[in-house]
Formats: sequence, C-alpha cells, structure tokens
Amino acid sequence: EVQVLESGGGLVQPGGSLRLSCVASGFTFSSDAMSWVRQAPGKGLEWVSVISRSGGSTYYVDSVKGRFTISRDNSKNTLYLQMNSLRAEDTAVYYCAKGEMGVRIIGYYYYYMDVWGKGTTVTVSS
Amino acid sequence: QSVLTQPPSVSAAPGQKVTISCSGSSSNIGNNYVSWYQQFPGTAPKLLIYDNNKRPSGIPDRFSGSKSGTSATLGITGLQTGDEADYYCGTWDSSLSAGVFGGGTKLTVL
Repeated sequence: EVQVLESGGGLVQPGGSLRLSCVASGFTFSSDAMSWVRQAPGKGLEWVSVISRSGGSTYYVDSVKGRFTISRDNSKNTLYLQMNSLRAEDTAVYYCAKGEMGVRIIGYYYYYMDVWGKGTTVTVSS
Repeated sequence: QSVLTQPPSVSAAPGQKVTISCSGSSSNIGNNYVSWYQQFPGTAPKLLIYDNNKRPSGIPDRFSGSKSGTSATLGITGLQTGDEADYYCGTWDSSLSAGVFGGGTKLTVL
C-alpha cells in the first residue's frame, strides 16, 4: 500500500524550532516530488513547500522563506521539514504529500499531490 | 487572501449536478495544469482531478474537471449526501514559483 506517515509535531514556544518527518512506503520514494501542505484550525489548505525527486530543487511559500527548510533522504525514504523561528501563525496541521511536478509543454507546469498523510499537528504558543 | 478564488459554498439537491469554479490568472491557471482535492472534516485531502481533467484510479466519473483561460471548473453529477465536503483547486504559479490553492468551497447536498 502506498502511504506516507508524518511525525514530529507538538507544542513549541514562539521562536522555537521543530523538525517534522515523513516516512514513505509502498512506492519508489526517489521517483516523486514531495510536498508539505498545512491547514490552520478552521482554515483552508495552504501550500508550504516542495522538493524535487533528487532534492536539487526546493520551493517555499513566502511566509516561511528563510525559516523553514525542506529536505529528503532518499536512502531512508524520508522527507523532512525543519522549522525555525516559529510563530503563532504557523500553528496548523502539517500534511506530507507525494506527487508529481514538471513541464509537459514548454512553460506549462503540472503539479499535483496524489497521496497524503494523515497530518501532524504543530502548535506554537507560550 | 488566496491566489485562486473559489466560492465559499455551493449547494444542490441529491441526484442533481453542481459546479465549483476556480479563478486565477495567466501566471497560474492560465498557463499551468489544475488539480482538485476533496476533504472531509478531520481527514486528509484526497486527489480528485489532475492535469485539468484526468481522474486518478478509483475516482468515479461523476467527478469531472475542465479549464478555460484563467478559470477551472469541477463538476459533480448525481450528487450524493456522501459528497458533502470541502473542495479545493490547486496549481503551480510560475511567477511566485510556488504551489497555490483556492480558499476552498463547502458543498452541501440538501
């Protein structure tokens, strides 16, 4: 069965750090782009970050640039999200998702997430 | 304020058809492929449509997607009470170099 499982969430004080992990199974991890998406309580989905298959390309939403770092270890089938300088507004359920991204026609990007984890909750509060 | 604009809510009767719109710009929907996700309360999102109009294995053909210009539409026919959920559109934004979602649409089957 194809699945991804997040861990590492918890309660952290503002300004603190947390590292989320996502372990993948049932598919060739190194063949897929991997993403983080979060959802604040009662709010919609917010895209956070994506990393390419090799890890050579990473992208972030503006609000986390310089504070969050996405990485992957293809030998361990694991995705990470290092979160530093955490703020109250980072409080959310964080989902790991596998997916596809690339270019089909020159300049036309495809990007979607086809398998999602159950999420891990991050609460930033004093 | 989401980059992609969806109506906050839509409703229809069981058995009827409903459409959910998603409006963007040339830097996202206009020049990239759109995906749609379904989310029930307290659960993870699920991919319904990718590449504007393709359905993953296991998604019934009651769900369809289309795109025209800078807007995309999710259609659901033969509505069932089990379709009550939140629906999100998503795509890549080439100007932002980032993924983007719509604000989500809550579907009520009356």
